[in-house]
Amino acid sequence: EVQLLESGGGLVQPGGSLRLSCAASGFAFSSYAMSWVRQTPGKGLEWVSAISGSADTTYYADSVRGRFSISRDNSKNTLYLQMNSLRADDTAVFYCAKLSCSSPSCYPFDYWGQGTLVTISS
Amino acid sequence: EIVLTQSPDFQSVTPKEKVTITCRASQSIGSSLHWYQQKPDQSPKLLIKFASQSFSGVPSRFSGSGSGTDFTLTINSLEAEDAATYYCHQSSSFPGTFGQGTKVEIK
Repeated sequence: EVQLLESGGGLVQPGGSLRLSCAASGFAFSSYAMSWVRQTPGKGLEWVSAISGSADTTYYADSVRGRFSISRDNSKNTLYLQMNSLRADDTAVFYCAKLSCSSPSCYPFDYWGQGTLVTISS
Repeated sequence: EIVLTQSPDFQSVTPKEKVTITCRASQSIGSSLHWYQQKPDQSPKLLIKFASQSFSGVPSRFSGSGSGTDFTLTINSLEAEDAATYYCHQSSSFPGTFGQGTKVEIK
């Protein structure tokens, strides 16, 4: 059974940093690209970033490029999202999602984690 | 950016009734359209991929159709457990975009 378990969310002041983790199990982690998708009541579902199975290719939404960094440790079956220079409009539930093959453009998202809430507020 | 517009935004339906949700793309996306179900306080789950292919384990009452710019998600004989928000998602233009969601309530 595919399982994705996010952690690392919380309350952070504007300008602060946070690192999200996503522990994966139930599939050959290194064979699949992974992505982060966030959800807010106002903007709905928004793709944030993606990384190939081998970690040699990464992509970012314009809204987070230069502030967020996606990475993965295939020896630990874990996906990460380092978030710096956080802003109020980064407040969202962040989901990790598995893609359908090793390429970051291999849609759809076939499995999602339960999500972790990130709140940016002073 | 390709914009996906779902209709209706909200639907209140009695059990066993048929539900139809539409998703219109701002430009042609072929069959690169996927549907997800999100129940309250849960994460999205894949229902239909590439317009009409059912994902593993999804009940047969869920089906999808369409191509180009107009797509439909149909739920035949709605069950109480189908109360959820349904999202369409296009992957024709990387990195993809989502519709605003359609909330289905059980009367």
